[in-house]
Amino acid sequence: DVKVTQSSRYLVKRTGEKVFLECVQDMDHENMFWYRQDPGLGLRLIYFSYDVKMKEKGDIPEGYSVSREKKERFSLILESASTNQTSMYLCASSFSSGVQETQYFGPGTRLLVL
Amino acid sequence: EDQVTQSPEALRLQEGESSSLNCSYTVSGLRGLFWYRQDPGKGPEFLFTLYSAGEEKEKERLKATLTKKESFLHITAPKPEDSATYLCAVLSLGGATNKLIFGTGTLLAVQP
Repeated sequence: DVKVTQSSRYLVKRTGEKVFLECVQDMDHENMFWYRQDPGLGLRLIYFSYDVKMKEKGDIPEGYSVSREKKERFSLILESASTNQTSMYLCASSFSSGVQETQYFGPGTRLLVL
Repeated sequence: EDQVTQSPEALRLQEGESSSLNCSYTVSGLRGLFWYRQDPGKGPEFLFTLYSAGEEKEKERLKATLTKKESFLHITAPKPEDSATYLCAVLSLGGATNKLIFGTGTLLAVQP
């Protein structure tokens, strides 16, 4: 079975703090993704990576950065957390092409910024 | 612009009362359509991938179908444990590689 794990289920941070969210997958997937999910807005793509050290901006990259030093690990960084970054953060991974493009999601990290 | 719309936003069924959820899409070319189930406070769980019009897939009480403009998720004789939010997403030929476009989901409640 595909397994995507996220470092924390719940996080509480203060405004201005630097926040690290980590994601690890065990299926040797090339692609990894970070989304945020907010009521009424659905899932929105923040960043994705199609290879080690490669990254692409998604729809809402402002205020975020990412790091992918190893194939199995993809980190989301909030450089200076703000209250409007309170959200559910979801990591996903997939193969690059063909019938295996299905994205598999981790359990999510619920972040509260005070 | 690529777009995915799900309806209804919410649906309440009695146990055993079959129904369908709708996902309509507008994309420049479909690479794949995906259905997920999401329980409260958890990540989406993959259900089905459909690639071409006329394709159907089944899993227990769920059956997904695809036409050129929409997909249906049919739920036959649902049970309370089928209660969840069901998400639809598409991969577009004209879009960025592997960028999924999600609908906002249908919240299904099945009452005993």
